[in-house]
Amino acid sequence: AIQMAQSPSSLSASVGDRVTITCRASQGIGNDLGWYQQKPGKAPKLLIYGAATLHSGVPSRFSGSGSDTDFTLTINSLQPEDFATYYCLQDYSYPWTFGQGTKVEIK
Amino acid sequence: EVQLVESGGDFVQPGGSLRLSCVASGFTFTSYGMIWVRQAPGRGLEWVSYIGSSSNGINYADSVKGRFTVSRDNAKNSLYLQMNGLRDEDTAVFYCARGSLLTAGGSHYHGFDVWGQGTTVTVSS
Repeated sequence: AIQMAQSPSSLSASVGDRVTITCRASQGIGNDLGWYQQKPGKAPKLLIYGAATLHSGVPSRFSGSGSDTDFTLTINSLQPEDFATYYCLQDYSYPWTFGQGTKVEIK
Repeated sequence: EVQLVESGGDFVQPGGSLRLSCVASGFTFTSYGMIWVRQAPGRGLEWVSYIGSSSNGINYADSVKGRFTVSRDNAKNSLYLQMNGLRDEDTAVFYCARGSLLTAGGSHYHGFDVWGQGTTVTVSS
């Protein structure tokens, strides 16, 4: 199975900060990676698909980059509603696998 | 309104069985693959299963293979997860989600863009 190593597991940031979260795949997955945001007690929401394409309705301060094994989610100018846990998901090969998650907390 | 509603979660003893349901509305269910994802208390997300739009391409996580069976009834706009041989470690909130094929740079990618609210399964003696 492909392992997705996501880092950091948590971070503290202030409103207006730029935040970067990474996922590293244990083998190449092309661009078959999505990023999801989850708030406590709620279902996940799709942010990015195809490693770098912003899903409809997602604010442009979110961006994704990378391919093959190394991927990044960047949040420019963090807003109060962005404090949440973020997950990457590879659907390149079965079993599909999530990263361990990154909790973004208020500093 | 595009919506997925799960049901069927319950408290069950180890070794028991449950059947989860996920009813879709507001979109053409027959056009989409579907997944189940679970989240144990205080833990991250775990992909459980995928089923294609015509019940093709079925796959499972290793942790549930041989115990769980995914199915769908397109006439009823419904997705199911039959869970047998339940274990303590299956305790989780189970979500269903719609798998859209989204286009970027001339290629198609999965995006799980509609999610249910989740249903809770508790396995304990």
